[in-house]
Amino acid sequence: KQEVTQIPAALSVPEGENLVLNCSFTDSAIYNLQWFRQDPGKGLTSLLLIQSSQREQTSGRLNASLDKSSGRSTLYIAASQPGDSATYLCAVEEASGSRLTFGEGTQLTVNP
Amino acid sequence: GAVVSQHPSRVICKSGTSVKIECRSLDFQATTMFWYRQFPKKSLMLMATSNEGSKATYEQGVEKDKFLINHASLTLSTLTVTSAHPEDSSFYICSAREGQYNQPQHFGDGTRLSIL
Repeated sequence: KQEVTQIPAALSVPEGENLVLNCSFTDSAIYNLQWFRQDPGKGLTSLLLIQSSQREQTSGRLNASLDKSSGRSTLYIAASQPGDSATYLCAVEEASGSRLTFGEGTQLTVNP
Repeated sequence: GAVVSQHPSRVICKSGTSVKIECRSLDFQATTMFWYRQFPKKSLMLMATSNEGSKATYEQGVEKDKFLINHASLTLSTLTVTSAHPEDSSFYICSAREGQYNQPQHFGDGTRLSIL
């Protein structure tokens, strides 16, 4: 059974700092990995999707990497802003079907 | 593009009531729709997967007679929580996918269900 773990569970940083969120998964047989953002009481916004054959994806200040063989992904946020405050979830799509397995998220607070 | 609308955003009702939640893909045809449940400060747990015109596939431990899912068209899926009780109170989120596995899932804004 696929398990996804995110570290840290919570993170508080001053504005402008670069930061890294970590995600690990137990079964490396995945189709892709996604990073999402969730604001309180809201749904999910997809940030980046990395196919299993890719090693990284970039969008603006966000960069996600994938090391499939070691079961790890990182989300790098450059020059963090208060508007980046949210919960960040990673999820893997398994090779056996279309199921997404989510981690429990990292709650990020960026202080002005 | 790729907008998923979920309605209602919040429901408060008495125990024993049945509640219907709608999930619509506004600008694409959703081959597959998914229903998730999220407990406070916890991750999303997949409840069921539905393909248009066929019966939903439920995850282990999810009562299909309790959580009725209908995916009657390529743009609409509904989740009905039948005879809801306080333990059914939760945040329910739907997502929709256009095409095959390499396409991302697009999520609705969720429905906060509170059963008194």
